[in-house]
This record gives sequence, C-alpha cells and structure tokens, in this order.
Amino acid sequence: DTGVSQDPRHKITKRGQNVTFRCDPISEHNRLYWYRQTLGQGPEFLTYFQNEAQLEKSRLLSDRFSAERPKGSFSTLEIQRTEQGDSAMYLCASSLGTSVGDTQYFGPGTRLTVL
Amino acid sequence: QQQVKQSPQSLIVQKGGISIINCAYENTAFDYFPWYQQFPGKGPALLIAIRPDVSEKKEGRFTISFNKSAKQFSLHIMDSQPGDSATYFCAATKGGYSTLTFGKGTMLLVSP
Repeated sequence: DTGVSQDPRHKITKRGQNVTFRCDPISEHNRLYWYRQTLGQGPEFLTYFQNEAQLEKSRLLSDRFSAERPKGSFSTLEIQRTEQGDSAMYLCASSLGTSVGDTQYFGPGTRLTVL
Repeated sequence: QQQVKQSPQSLIVQKGGISIINCAYENTAFDYFPWYQQFPGKGPALLIAIRPDVSEKKEGRFTISFNKSAKQFSLHIMDSQPGDSATYFCAATKGGYSTLTFGKGTMLLVSP
C-alpha cells in the first residue's frame, strides 16, 4: 500500500535547534498539504502545494517555518529556531486536486517535542 | 475565530447504540463537509462526506445529516461497535478541493 509517508515519525529537539520533516505523497497526487495538530485539537492548515507551486500559507506559518516541494514530488517542512510552542503533530496530506471535494489522504504524522 | 464548532468533546456509547456528533459552521462559502476518523498514532482518515445540495448521505452504519438553513451537520453511527472507538473530526472546505477547516474533535468510546 503506497499511502502518504512521513519521516521521521518522532523528533525530540532542544529549543533553538532547526528541524526538517519530509513527506512523500501518493505518487499521482498533485496537491500536498501540511497541517499541525496539537493535543485535543483538530488539525490546522499550514500550507499547500499544487505540484511544485506553494499556493497558500496560513497565518500560523511564521517566518521560522518554510516548506518546499521540489519538482512536485516529496515535500519538506523546516522549522528554524524551534520554540516549545512548536511541539505538535505535523501532518502531511495529499490529493489528486482535480475535482470538487477530492479526498485528502493523510500520513501518520511527525510528532515534534521541543524541550 | 473557530469556523467549525463540534460537540460533544467526548462521548461514551454502549455497544449497539447510536453515536451522534454535531457540527455547526459559520462560513456560508463552505461547500464540502467531510468527516474524518483518527485512531491514536495515526493520521485522520476520510469516513464519509456530503455536499450541501443533499440533506442526508448514508454509507453502511454511518450517516451524515445536513441542515443548510441552520448551518449544521451531524454524524450518526448506528449499531456502534468497540472498533469505532476513535476521535472523529468534522471539517469543511470552500471551493471544493481547497484546504480543510476542522472542528476540535469528539473522542468516542464504545463500551462492550
């Protein structure tokens, strides 16, 4: 089953360090989304790509966050100078992006803990 | 500003009973309403979804009821089973295949 995969699954870092997460979408999917989920909350949208173009960024995505999707394939999300408030589950999703209401398929997430 | 409000926060149902989760939205531009199911340690998975041009959609034991005038929609799980124990999220999008706005989730426990 070639679903959405994310790496690493868990990351523990010290405040002030930089971290990078990777997402591999379902191969034929054009759209790729990043969400953040904190304990007891629903996922919150961060940013999304149509192929390699980053089309929308949430106000949640501060200047310390950057995302890329080179060549429209995998995507990386980098957080610079991490803060304790960045501790969360970072979810990646992908979709075909070709029809109204197309399904977003989520990966298992990367759980970030900032000490 | 919370655009999708979900209740209850948690729910305990006996096996075989009906689980009901409610959501209300504010933005009339929303035009697609999916429900996601999430198990611990997993990402959310689409359960069932509805467009506002229908009032009800049923798939197996899961039914969405939609009230456009009240801007409310609900998930009904018939004959609830222990395997249904999970966190359920309602969500909404505008423009069809745009970003999802989620509710805060309902933790469902189905007791044997």
